Amino acid sequence: DGGITQSPKYLFRKEGQNVTLSCEQNLNHDAMYWYRQDPGQGLRLIYYSQIVNDFQKGDIAEGYSVSREKKESFPLTVTSAQKNPTAFYLCASKVFSGANQPQHFGDGTRLSIL
Amino acid sequence: AQKVTQAQTEISVVEKEDVTLDCVYETRDTTYYLFWYKQPPSGELVFLIRRNSFDEQNEISGRYSWNFQKSTSSFNFTITASQVVDSAVYFCALSEDVRGGGGNKLTFGTGTQLKVEL
Repeated sequence: DGGITQSPKYLFRKEGQNVTLSCEQNLNHDAMYWYRQDPGQGLRLIYYSQIVNDFQKGDIAEGYSVSREKKESFPLTVTSAQKNPTAFYLCASKVFSGANQPQHFGDGTRLSIL
Repeated sequence: AQKVTQAQTEISVVEKEDVTLDCVYETRDTTYYLFWYKQPPSGELVFLIRRNSFDEQNEISGRYSWNFQKSTSSFNFTITASQVVDSAVYFCALSEDVRGGGGNKLTFGTGTQLKVEL
C-alpha cells in the first residue's frame, strides 16, 4: 500500500547527541515536509523540500538539518544545538507544491531526552 | 502573516450529540485554501476536507459538514450524531497561493480536542 513511513516510532536522545529521524514515501510525491508538535500547540514547520536536492527552512529550523538526495526520502537530523528536542515529529508529503494540494502525513516519531 | 485560530481547546459531548468545531483565519491573500485534519490517538493526521477561497458552497459528507463564510473568515466543522470513534484532535489549516514558489506552507491552528463519551 502507498503511504508515508516514519521510523522509529520512539527515539531517545542523550545530551550532546545527534539523532536522525527517517521519513520514506512511496506515493511519488514531489514535496515533503517536517513538522514539530508540542502539547497543546499546532504543528510548526521545520523544513520542507519541493524537489530533490533542494530544501528550505521553515519557521523553526534552528538546531535541525535535512537532506533530500532521493525523491522518496527526507530524513531529519536533530542536532545537539537543539536544546529542547522533546516533541512529536511528523513528516508529510504532497503530490506537488501547489497550495491547493492536501498534505499526507506519517504516523510520527516521538523524541525524548534521556 | 497568515493565522488560524481554534479558540476551543477541548470539547466534551455525549454520544449522539451534534458538535461544532470553530475555525477563524486571517490572510491578506485573495486566493487561499482551507483544510481540516483529524489526529486520532495513534498520532497520524488524516486529511478530511479542502475548501478553496472562491468556493463558498457548504459541504456535507455523511455525518460531517463544513460551513465556510468569507464574510466572517470562518470555516467551521460540524459532526452530527457524534460517536466515540470521533474522539480525536481536530486541526484547521490555511495554505496561501504564494507566487514564486514560496513553498505553499500550511499554517495550523492549535487544534481542538474532542472527547465523545458514552
